[in-house]
Order: sequence, then structure tokens, then C-alpha cells
Amino acid sequence: AQKVTQAQTEISVVEKEDVTLDCVYETRDTTYYLFWYKQPPSGELVFLIRRNSFDEQNEISGRYSWNFQKSTSSFNFTITASQVVDSAVYFCALSEGTGFQKLVFGTGTRLLVSP
Amino acid sequence: EAGVVQSPRYKIIEKKQPVAFWCNPISGHNTLYWYRQNLGQGPELLIRYENEEAVDDSQLPKDRFSAERLKGVDSTLKIQPAELGDSAVYLCASSLDTYRVGEAFFGQGTRLTVV
Repeated sequence: AQKVTQAQTEISVVEKEDVTLDCVYETRDTTYYLFWYKQPPSGELVFLIRRNSFDEQNEISGRYSWNFQKSTSSFNFTITASQVVDSAVYFCALSEGTGFQKLVFGTGTRLLVSP
Repeated sequence: EAGVVQSPRYKIIEKKQPVAFWCNPISGHNTLYWYRQNLGQGPELLIRYENEEAVDDSQLPKDRFSAERLKGVDSTLKIQPAELGDSAVYLCASSLDTYRVGEAFFGQGTRLTVV
């Protein structure tokens, strides 16, 4: 069965600090996709990144970077030089097979960035 | 381009009353999802539509929940009768389809409180 674990319930940092959000997943499939979503106070989930199981290259997008390690079944997310606008709940999710048949989400990590 | 639109944003009802939520997906998106998000948890899939066909409703509590997507566009999720445990945020999402890798877009959700 698929499972996503986000052990960090809440993280508090001061602006400009770097922060890493952890995500560990379980799946029996060899083909799967991993995702990160951001949920600001307004409630909608905002797509951040999708990574397939065959691509272990790390990715950087501005202040965001992702580290995918199949050996440890982890897909961690780092925000460099955090800003107050980064405050939100971040969800890691897993989908087996192709596409979005079913996204299994972790319980989320609440990030609080104070000025 | 308009995103996924849900209404109402908030709903408070007494237990045993019926309630309905409405979702208008992004134009051209064939796949529509309903998720339920309990407080402090990640979203869980309730039902997935491909056009007007419900292709995965395995997580939908069919004794009290029903959904429809007439004409393959808008969708309605209904609960009758509501129970205290149904209090949650109900999220609608859409994607072009589930067989092409792409991103799912979420609405802002309907926060249901059953008293």
C-alpha cells in the first residue's frame, strides 16, 4: 500500500533562514510520481513540482529545490532564504502508476516564517 | 483563465440535514476529483470522474454521499443526511486527463461544519 509520511508537523523559522521539509514515502510500484503542494491560508492547493520515479535528478526553481533519493525513499523540499509569504502548509503526495488516478497525501508540514 | 470554482465557501448545517457542494472545473479539463480534507490531515480522494463517468468511487461512503457530473462539466457532491464526522473541507480539482502527465488544479474548497 502507498503511504506518505511527513514527520514534521510544524516548523518555525525567521525570514532569510533556509528550511527543509522532509517527505518519506512507501510504495511497491516501480513507476510512481511524487508531488509537492502548497496550501496557503486561502485554502487551495497550489502545485509546486512533480517528479517521476525514473528521474532522480535534483531540481531547483528559484528559491525552491527538491532532493529525490530512491535509496531512502525520500523526496525532501528546501526553501532557501525563506520569506513571510512562504508561510503555508506544505503537502507531499504520491501517485502510483501514471497520471493522477489517486494522489495519496501526507499529513502536511505547517511552515511559519516570521519577519 | 479562471481556476477551479467551488461554492459555497462555507456551510454550517445541523446534523441529519442534507447539504450539497458545487464545482466548476477549468474549461477543457476532462478529469474531475472530489477530495475531503479533515482538520490537520492531507486530502483524501472521494471520487474521480472521467468526463461524466465516475471511474473511481471506492472511497465514497455511498450510504450517505452521492455525486454527479452531468454533461461532463460541473459537478455536485451531496451528503444526506450529514453527520458530525462529516465536518471537513471538501476540495474539488481538475486536470486535462489522467493519462497524460500534467498537474491537477484545486479549488479553494468548501468548509463544512456540522453541528
